[in-house]
Amino acid sequence: AQSVTQLDSHVSVSEGTPVLLRCNYSSSYSPSLFWYVQHPNKGLQLLLKYTSAATLVKGINGFEAEFKKSETSFHLTKPSAHMSDAAEYFCVVSDNSNSGYALNFGKGTSLLVTP
Amino acid sequence: EAQVTQNPRYLITVTGKKLTVTCSQNMNHEYMSWYRQDPGLGLRQIYYSMNVEVTDKGDVPEGYKVSRKEKRNFPLILESPSPNQTSLYFCASTPKGTIYNEQFFGPGTRLTVL
Repeated sequence: AQSVTQLDSHVSVSEGTPVLLRCNYSSSYSPSLFWYVQHPNKGLQLLLKYTSAATLVKGINGFEAEFKKSETSFHLTKPSAHMSDAAEYFCVVSDNSNSGYALNFGKGTSLLVTP
Repeated sequence: EAQVTQNPRYLITVTGKKLTVTCSQNMNHEYMSWYRQDPGLGLRQIYYSMNVEVTDKGDVPEGYKVSRKEKRNFPLILESPSPNQTSLYFCASTPKGTIYNEQFFGPGTRLTVL
């Protein structure tokens, strides 16, 4: 069985400071891991994904995440927050289980960026 | 443009009145699914389809039906909606292949059941 835990439901940072959104996962298989972003009243957009090719994954808009198997973590980071980064972020795990390519979503982290 | 479309985008209805939310993708993807999003719960899978005429239950299928008669369409049917089905619904599609494929999401349908 697969599951995802996002350790913070809300994160607040000042513009220009680093962003850290934490995610731990569990999976019975070799998983793929994703971060999706949802801006207010918008759909879901893929930020980045881990596909086992490299443990440090770079995504769009300056975000990156590092897969740490020993810690079962896939934290999302960005060196310098921008006001436009304010959104809901979802850590997602997928494995080749009996449910096909089902995505298992974390409960989300709401990122607030203050001036 | 490659996309997943959903209709309607917003719907207010009353308890017990059957409704259908349509989902269509133009990317020739085999796999399609429906999710609902509720505050504090993230997205939960309702139903999925591996291909035409192949559908199966996700994590929260009660009160919903789906069909997959054509590859591009995957409608979500609420035969007798209830207030606890008030939610934001997303359709998604992905090509058959590996679990590393990105899923493409529709814009969402906000449903309110009174």
